[in-house]
Amino acid sequence: DTGVSQNPRHKITKRGQNVTFRCDPISEHNRLYWYRQTLGQGPEFLTYFQNEAQLEKSRLLSDRFSAERPKGSFSTLEIQRTEQGDSAMYLCASFLFQGANTGELFFGEGSRLTVL
Amino acid sequence: SQKIEQNSEALNIQEGKTATLTCNYTNYSPAYLQWYRQDPGRGPVFLLLIRENEKEKRKERLKVTFDTTLKQSLFHITASQPADSATYLCALRTGTYKYIFGTGTRLKVLA
Repeated sequence: DTGVSQNPRHKITKRGQNVTFRCDPISEHNRLYWYRQTLGQGPEFLTYFQNEAQLEKSRLLSDRFSAERPKGSFSTLEIQRTEQGDSAMYLCASFLFQGANTGELFFGEGSRLTVL
Repeated sequence: SQKIEQNSEALNIQEGKTATLTCNYTNYSPAYLQWYRQDPGRGPVFLLLIRENEKEKRKERLKVTFDTTLKQSLFHITASQPADSATYLCALRTGTYKYIFGTGTRLKVLA
């Protein structure tokens, strides 16, 4: 257990529905990342935060995806009008950014989304 | 665009042998490179980090090399065990602390 918690672990939904995933990082970690991973591929960067500020969002991410970290603690990733192509594992990771540190990422166990 | 490539095919080796995994990158000059292990259905777990000014790093049975001229890192597991079977990911950090991962190599150690 890395200390990063993701919920729900599994979500099955019908195409067109909205889904929301939550990530609770390690409490003192100020950086939080979201990745998407499909079978046989490495994690694909989606977005990341420094405290509550969203620093970058992948250009591959459509407008149906939105992420927030309202108080600089937990984060949510929402997918609106889900499509079958959204089926994947959504991974959250965090670390404590302090100047020029090396930044080992601590990952949660992921939230697996299946869109029918 | 930045690209990270790892052996796309699974690597099968006999127990006790040394496994060598490759990570090649293009269009980037990372300050350091990380390796992670991922088991099926789980999140990646950090293993090792090597900086651009380091040629080699060791941790127990693991060894990582980093050749910034070739733009390549090699990850070695010596005296491999069936418990080492997993997918191994390399990752580069950009200047803004965004981490880009390779596709991963699936290793299977046969008893």
